[in-house]
Parts: sequence; structure tokens; C-alpha cells
Amino acid sequence: DSGVTQTPKHLITATGQRVTLRCSPRSGDLSVYWYQQSLDQGLQFLIQYYNGEERAKGNILERFSAQQFPDLHSELNLSSLELGDSALYFCASSAGPGRETQYFGPGTRLLVL
Amino acid sequence: AQRVTQPEKLLSVFKGAPVELKCNYSYSGSPELFWYVQYSRQRLQLLLRHISRESIKGFTADLNKGETSFHLKKPFAQEEDSAMYYCALSGSSNTGKLIFGQGTTLQVKP
Repeated sequence: DSGVTQTPKHLITATGQRVTLRCSPRSGDLSVYWYQQSLDQGLQFLIQYYNGEERAKGNILERFSAQQFPDLHSELNLSSLELGDSALYFCASSAGPGRETQYFGPGTRLLVL
Repeated sequence: AQRVTQPEKLLSVFKGAPVELKCNYSYSGSPELFWYVQYSRQRLQLLLRHISRESIKGFTADLNKGETSFHLKKPFAQEEDSAMYYCALSGSSNTGKLIFGQGTTLQVKP
């Protein structure tokens, strides 16, 4: 499958813990985006990386951080987890830094207990 | 502020009926508008974007800058159109970050 992949599919953890979500973009895509989908906030943009550099930032909490590695995969780190962080986290990729079509991964469902 | 509003959470129609999913946006510059669709248990996928002016699966959407709307239309709904539809906006050309509406569930009844 040459599409966007995300691991793990599901994650259950406790408050106060730290987790890492992983995303591999489509072959050839240089941009990676992270979005959070929750019942009350809907789909919200968190952060974008382009070719290893942070490109744009949304309403990402200070407890959250991300990076894009030389092989272009990206990781989203969530720390000091709270119940309200339970959500579906999507990764998307696109060829360039701007308004190119974004291709979404299947998402990681995070449940914080 | 950049905002996308989809006023209907759920739209239920019968097969063969026309469909219009509403989307209004708030943005001071020249945005690019998109419609994404999410079929049951599948990932979000692009349905169409206003600059391409394509018709995908019979759906069309016209950008109305005066009314700041980008409604999605289809003349005859099919059962396989049942899905969640998201309208999204991209503002700056320097980044592709998307601002999404809350989504509308389209239910096409047989």
C-alpha cells in the first residue's frame, strides 16, 4: 500500500502518560499534516511539516510535539495525557508545502482513561 | 477569523432525490475550498476542490464569493452516496492547512 499509513490503529492509556503516534506519508510526498478529530471540536489542524521543517502550527497544545524525520515519516508525541485528549488523530500528506491535495491516513484512535 | 460552517448535522433523502449539502465560510482573502468524504470505516478522501471545477461521482460545487458559500450538489442521490461530508478551506498559499466544517452525514434511503 503506497498510501498514508498510521500506527498504531488504537491506543488505550491512562491519564498522565505519554504516547507516540507514527505516520508514514505517501511515496514522494514531502508535507505531513496532523489533525485531531473529537466529538466537541470536530476536525482541527494541529501542525504541518514540510521536508523536515515545521511549516504551520494550529491549536496544538504545549504538551504535544511533533517532528518529521529525514526519511519523511512523522511522529506526534502527546504527553501528560488528559481525558480530553481522547480523540481520533489523523495524519495527511501532500506533495508540496501549499494547497496541494492532501491524502489522509486511517487515523489512530486514542482513548485516555 | 477563518471559519467553515456546515449547518446540517444530518441530511436524509430518498434515492433519486436531489441533494444539497450546505457550506459557508468566513475568510478575508482568496481561499481554496474543498469537499472531503468519509465512507463508513474508510479514510477521508478528497471529493472535489473548487479550482479544478470537476464533477466527481456526479457531485458539483460552485464557489459563490458574494454569499461566501460552497454548497455541494447532486441531482440524483444514490444509496452509495451515504457518508460523512466535510467542507474545508485552505487560506494561505504558503501552507496547505485545512480548516474543516463540522461535517454533514448524508443518509440516502432506498
